[in-house]
Amino acid sequence: DAKTTQPPSMDCAEGRAANLPCNHSTISGNEYVYWYRQIHSQGPQYIIHGLKNNETNEMASLIITEDRKSSTLILPHATLRDTAVYYCIVSEPYNQGGKLIFGQGTELSVKP
Amino acid sequence: DAGVTQSPTHLIKTRGQQVTLRCSPKSGHDTVSWYQQALGQGPQFIFQYYEEEERQRGNFPDRFSGHQFPNYSSELNVNALLLGDSALYLCASSPSWADTQYFGPGTRLTVL
Repeated sequence: DAKTTQPPSMDCAEGRAANLPCNHSTISGNEYVYWYRQIHSQGPQYIIHGLKNNETNEMASLIITEDRKSSTLILPHATLRDTAVYYCIVSEPYNQGGKLIFGQGTELSVKP
Repeated sequence: DAGVTQSPTHLIKTRGQQVTLRCSPKSGHDTVSWYQQALGQGPQFIFQYYEEEERQRGNFPDRFSGHQFPNYSSELNVNALLLGDSALYLCASSPSWADTQYFGPGTRLTVL
């Protein structure tokens, strides 16, 4: 079973920031938080991952709470092309290796 | 730099038949993982190949088998196809077995 809880759907206005929450209250010390997104019928696209510190790349920012029990993915200026299902996954790569466990994700709809 | 490629794009088979799906990893990646995604669900981990060996396996029957070649490309074989095997089959590659995975576009398998 997935170790994360995400809202099933969210809406965001084009040009505004999209903030996608994820709860992972049972996360262990060596587990990373990964975010992927999947545009309809395509393969999942890697977005970002982090362990403890906040992370930023060209696609998004990842904010992890100090107790690591939740995180937020931020798309700073959402566009219509950001409409997708967003998956939050916790994984300990050196023990779990390639086994990413996907939940149901959050379906983000960006509206004009 | 080509990303992960998969072939074929679509495939239609009948119950009881066998199918082989193919995956070429990103350049510089030596690990391949396979996932099955049923309609409306998140991807489910099938298995991972590293150094031509099955390194990890998810909860899938022995009808699902795989292979990795010396050039790191991989095949997924499914025997005795069932209607329930209809899904999007995703291949992901990573620079090593514990690294971030990057997904291909998938192969859509329909079993009639």
